[in-house]
Amino acid sequence: GAVVSQHPSRVICKSGTSVKIECRSLDFQATTMFWYRQFPKQSLMLMATSNEGSKATYEQGVEKDKFLINHASLTLSTLTVTSAHPEDSSFYICSARGTGGGEKLFFGSGTQLSVL
Amino acid sequence: GNSVTQMEGPVTLSEEAFLTINCTYTATGYPSLFWYVQYPGEGLQLLLKATKADDKGSNKGFEATYRKETTSFHLEKGSVQVSDSAVYFCALNNQAGRRALTFGSGTRLQVQP
Repeated sequence: GAVVSQHPSRVICKSGTSVKIECRSLDFQATTMFWYRQFPKQSLMLMATSNEGSKATYEQGVEKDKFLINHASLTLSTLTVTSAHPEDSSFYICSARGTGGGEKLFFGSGTQLSVL
Repeated sequence: GNSVTQMEGPVTLSEEAFLTINCTYTATGYPSLFWYVQYPGEGLQLLLKATKADDKGSNKGFEATYRKETTSFHLEKGSVQVSDSAVYFCALNNQAGRRALTFGSGTRLQVQP
């Protein structure tokens, strides 16, 4: 069945470094990818929406220059946290919608980012 | 705007106990409502959904009824098992699938043998 593979599952980095998170769709083509972030005891918050081959649409309050999203192919989307700071420490998760559209979404297993 | 509020966990139950996880929502129009489950080390999976008022979604012994009058979609199961231990997310979508889901904060369920 359709699966979204997200890596890494956990990353610890120093402040000021950049971290890349990958989401790959397996056995289906992801035309749309949603990126979420979750702080402890809070909701999954939508950060941005990306469609294959076009620029991502960011939610209000999310810095596009800090959270770089690339969706260059129908099977791969990446989120790069540039110049990470401790306040960027969070749980990041991707969600993909296939070419059939509709409400069916497939989720990655998430990435726990800790910035020291 | 849209929002989803669900009870804070963790919820700890003994095997075969009755489960209720409360979820209420705020939304314009007539949203579709969902429960997702995340098992350890895995992505969120759709557990059940309801698309209109009074609909009951059900799957794997879990049920939830779309209550428009109380704007609620509480998750229930009559007899939980250890294998039900996971994080449960309530969510809504009110733009016919064109937008991302709005999630609650998740509720961790721990079932003890």
